[in-house]
Amino acid sequence: NAGVTQTPKFQVLKTGQSMTLQCAQDMNHEYMSWYRQDPGMGLRLIHYSVGAGITDQGEVPNGYNVSRSTTEDFPLRLLSAAPSQTSVYFCASSYSGQGAWEAFFGQGTRLTVV
Amino acid sequence: SQKIEQNSEALNIQEGKTATLTCNYTNYSPAYLQWYRQDPGRGPVFLLLIRENEKEKRKERLKVTFDTTLKQSLFHITASQPADSATYLCALLMYSGGGADGLTFGKGTHLIIQP
Repeated sequence: NAGVTQTPKFQVLKTGQSMTLQCAQDMNHEYMSWYRQDPGMGLRLIHYSVGAGITDQGEVPNGYNVSRSTTEDFPLRLLSAAPSQTSVYFCASSYSGQGAWEAFFGQGTRLTVV
Repeated sequence: SQKIEQNSEALNIQEGKTATLTCNYTNYSPAYLQWYRQDPGRGPVFLLLIRENEKEKRKERLKVTFDTTLKQSLFHITASQPADSATYLCALLMYSGGGADGLTFGKGTHLIIQP
């Protein structure tokens, strides 16, 4: 049972490049989300999904796309990378058992855009 | 939108003492309030949650209280140890008409337990 797996762990992009951050979970959780964490800003929600085929925007969605074709996978796409997207990205999955929504986080992807 | 404030960026506590961290929120009370621990270079790890109809929750040396009148949660670590040094995050589960909208996190309190 691996939990939530994010790849890659580190990535350097040039401005204007695109890439996809991968996130997979093996706990059969219906809810998955992406956060970015910046110094002094805390964790901010980018996009989330309440199940396969359903996604919605969080607090800071601009410049990012997501899709959820399976329960297990929730990739985050950067369409045209900008230096402002330099951050640490965390994927999380949750289950709604008893409505608790305890979140399980991946190890993070440290992205630098130059 | 919901705003969460955690009491300080850093908190220094002597080993063996009780560490108390504060989480204040604005606007409406959440159904659930959660606490996470985050170590450097790692993702947050869930510790405890407390429901709006609960006043207090305990787990080993951890205790969480929830006061919906004050819009505040307190997180206590008793008999603190250097291994408790980490950043602690408060999170609220937000609901709208369509269901859960995700967790909103505070910026965290960096706790340092000094030997």
